[in-house]
Amino acid sequence: EADIYQTPRYLVIGTGKKITLECSQTMGHDKMYWYQQDPGMELHLIHYSYGVNSTEKGDLSSESTVSRIRTEHFPLTLESARPSHTSQYLCASSEWQGSNEKLFFGSGTQLSVL
Amino acid sequence: AQKVTQAQTEISVVEKEDVTLDCVYETRDTTYYLFWYKQPPSGELVFLIRRNSFDEQNEISGRYSWNFQKSTSSFNFTITASQVVDSAVYFCALSEALFGRYGGSQGNLIFGKGTKLSVKP
Repeated sequence: EADIYQTPRYLVIGTGKKITLECSQTMGHDKMYWYQQDPGMELHLIHYSYGVNSTEKGDLSSESTVSRIRTEHFPLTLESARPSHTSQYLCASSEWQGSNEKLFFGSGTQLSVL
Repeated sequence: AQKVTQAQTEISVVEKEDVTLDCVYETRDTTYYLFWYKQPPSGELVFLIRRNSFDEQNEISGRYSWNFQKSTSSFNFTITASQVVDSAVYFCALSEALFGRYGGSQGNLIFGKGTKLSVKP
């Protein structure tokens, strides 16, 4: 149903590498989010955006950064990956359906930093 | 501070059994929203329901039903006649209601830790 894509699906990298997790949606949604999810744990909001050129930090402090140059694209970057960054990262976008804001999630990127 | 507690980490049932997933929340807001999301093995979260704090009517959608009790700060989710395809992690979430400069009426979601439901044939 949802047209929101995350790449890569899995990523294993060494410490110190710079990485970018891609997130794209073709639904024209203005609001987008990044969540971090550790195994068996709740999702924590790390970044969100209201639209082009808008980026906000979420509830959980993160060393990652995001950008929103185009509506459909909301990449997340880690300048120097560390083992503590090992986690699943979920991207989402939202739209209003009547009075409800509905989130659509991507399949996630499972990141392992060695 | 807002908090969502899902005390059941894992539940295992046999197909056709009914199962209830518990969700208890904490908030100081008088107006808020509650949600349930399903995360199947494929990873993406799927929206199931949103309920606002003004509406304590229980809701039924097919085999799914939700029991919102403001007095006990609970928003429990029941699956009737469970099926193998119901196997997933289910997350309860809470958001404040707000009317910001960008419009809209929903703050960012606070998720519980999830309940992993396994339905065996």
